[in-house]
Amino acid sequence: EVQLVESGGGLVKPGGSLRLSCTASGFTFSSYTLNWVRQAPGKGLEWVSSIDGSGHYTYYANSVRGRFTISRDNARNSLYLQMNSLRADDTALFYCARGSYGDEAFDVWGQGTMVTVSS
Amino acid sequence: QSVLTQPPSVSAAPGQKVTISCSGSSSNIGNKYVSWYQQFPGAAPKLLIYENNKRPSGIPDRFSGSKSGTSATLGITGLQTGDEADYYCGSWDTSLNGRVFGGGTKLAVL
Repeated sequence: EVQLVESGGGLVKPGGSLRLSCTASGFTFSSYTLNWVRQAPGKGLEWVSSIDGSGHYTYYANSVRGRFTISRDNARNSLYLQMNSLRADDTALFYCARGSYGDEAFDVWGQGTMVTVSS
Repeated sequence: QSVLTQPPSVSAAPGQKVTISCSGSSSNIGNKYVSWYQQFPGAAPKLLIYENNKRPSGIPDRFSGSKSGTSATLGITGLQTGDEADYYCGSWDTSLNGRVFGGGTKLAVL
């Protein structure tokens, strides 16, 4: 079964850091672009970052560029999001999602991990 | 303020058809593919439509997508109460060099 499982969320103070992980199974991990998408409570979807299959090319939303870093370990079938200088408006459910159909759509999503930034 | 604009809500009766619009610009929908997602409360989004009008395996043909210029539309026919969910459009934006989503549309089947 194709599956993505996120972990690493939690409560962190403003200015703090957190590292999210996403473990994949059921497909050839290195062949796919992976993405982080977040959803603030009661709000819509917001794309955060993408990384290509090789890990060489990364993309970020303006709202997180310079604070978040996406990476992957293809040997471990794992995707990561290092989040620094966290702010209250980063509070959200973070999903990892697989890019497919030429990276034009997200066809597999994890269940999400919640990040709460509060003092 | 989302880059792609969707109506906050739409409604229709069971068995009827509904359309959800998604308006963008030449830097996204006008020159890139559109995808659509369905999200039930407390669940992850699910891909409904990719490349403007294609359905992944397992998605019923009651769901359809189209694109014209800088706008896209999701159509749902034979509405069921089980279709009540939030629907999001998505595309790539060449100016932002990143993916963008619409603000989401809540569908009510009355």
